[in-house]
Amino acid sequence: EAGVAQSPRYKIIEKRQSVAFWCNPISGHATLYWYQQILGQGPKLLIQFQNNGVVDDSQLPKDRFSAERLKGVDSTLKIQPAKLEDSAVYLCASSPGLVGTGELFFGEGSRLTVL
Amino acid sequence: EDKVVQSPLSLVVHEGDTVTLNCSYEVTNFRSLLWYKQEKKAPTFLFMLTSSGIEKKSGRLSSILDKKELFSILNITATQTGDSAVYLCAVATGTASKLTFGTGTRLQVTL
Repeated sequence: EAGVAQSPRYKIIEKRQSVAFWCNPISGHATLYWYQQILGQGPKLLIQFQNNGVVDDSQLPKDRFSAERLKGVDSTLKIQPAKLEDSAVYLCASSPGLVGTGELFFGEGSRLTVL
Repeated sequence: EDKVVQSPLSLVVHEGDTVTLNCSYEVTNFRSLLWYKQEKKAPTFLFMLTSSGIEKKSGRLSSILDKKELFSILNITATQTGDSAVYLCAVATGTASKLTFGTGTRLQVTL
């Protein structure tokens, strides 16, 4: 079974530039999550989708971050303009249903460095 | 605000030792507690706990949840160098099962 696919794996940009990350979840998984993991910290939920609807985006900095999940399959997370503190690994995860019924399956992550 | 606290933050042990990792939580609408292992890449699932007092076991790893005292422990017996990783505790809450992670415990197993 193919896992969660993310790209790019690494990205280096200057502050105030924009960047986009892509995620393709495991086939058939209804729920998709974007997490931000800053070095030395646990992952922090940015946004949770159930199919193509947003379930929770309370911790998404909406002035600069946006995410969409068209057709309820793959998803894109965009940052514009980037700040130094956005340097982190952006993890995408998926689950068949709500996470309380099973584990999340994580992608390899996209490491962003903002200079 | 939901809070998940792990201790210790880091730990160095010798191969063959037994370690206990702690996770305490203060959340609203608890659904389950999950443990993940994170090496250099993505976190991988270890256990999900929903009921107090029932031990989950997988090889040398085991975990138990205490919903009255709001904590969980992860035990690793006869540690091996391959156990070196960050161990993350997460709590799922609410009808949408939002997952809140702790900062993790970094375990290093030396020869």
